[in-house]
Amino acid sequence: EVQLVESGGGLVQPGGSLRLSCAVSGFTFSDHYIDWVRQAPGKGLEWVGRTRSKTRSYTTEYAASFKDRFTISRDNSMNSLFLQMNSLQTEDTAVYYCVRSPYNNYYFDYWGQGTLVTVSS
Amino acid sequence: DIQMTQSPSSVSASVGDRVTITCRASQGIRNFLAWFQQKPGKAPKSLIYASSSLHSGVPSRFSGSGSGTDYTLTITSLQPDDSATYFCQQYDSFPLTFGGGTRVAIK
Repeated sequence: EVQLVESGGGLVQPGGSLRLSCAVSGFTFSDHYIDWVRQAPGKGLEWVGRTRSKTRSYTTEYAASFKDRFTISRDNSMNSLFLQMNSLQTEDTAVYYCVRSPYNNYYFDYWGQGTLVTVSS
Repeated sequence: DIQMTQSPSSVSASVGDRVTITCRASQGIRNFLAWFQQKPGKAPKSLIYASSSLHSGVPSRFSGSGSGTDYTLTITSLQPDDSATYFCQQYDSFPLTFGGGTRVAIK
C-alpha cells in the first residue's frame, strides 16, 4: 500500500525555521517525483516545489515565492523527503502535503495526510 | 505563470442531478489537466489526470473533458458523498498552478 506520512509541523515564531519530513512506503522511492503542496487555512492549494526521480538526477524545481527560503531534499536510504523552511512568515501558516507522481509521469496520484505549520509570535 | 480560473465558485444541487465545473487556463495546457476532490479536514484526493483519465477506484459518474484552454469536470447523478470542494490543476509547465476551487453542496 502506497503511503506518504508527513511530520515536523508545529508552532514557530516569525523569522524562524522548520524542517518537515515525508516518510514514504509501499513503492520504490527513487523512481518517483515527489512534490510539496500547501494550503493556508480556508484557502486553495499552492504548489511549493518538486524533487525528481533518480533517472532525472533528483533535480528540484520551486515556485518563485519559495526559491530563496525553502529547500527540498531526500534521503533515499530512509525513504524520506524533507522540506527545509527558513525565514518563516505568518503567511506561511498552512497545511503542507507531500504528493507523489506515478512512475514516468508528471501528474499527482497519492497524497499524504498533511502537517500543519503555524507561524505566530 | 498559467492562471487557472474555475467556475462556479460554489454550486448546490440535488441528489441525482448532473453537476458541471469548468476550469479555464490562461494559455493552452495540452490536456495536462488534473482534478482533485477535497473534503473538510482531509487531504485532497486525485480524481482525474490528462483531462479525462480516471484514477483507479474513482466512480464512473465522474468524467473529465476539454482541450486547449477549457476543461470540464462532470458529475452525473450527484451522490451525497460527492459533497466536497473540487480543484483543477495544470501540470503543463512550472509553476504548477491550481484553480481556486468549487464547493459542491447537496440541497
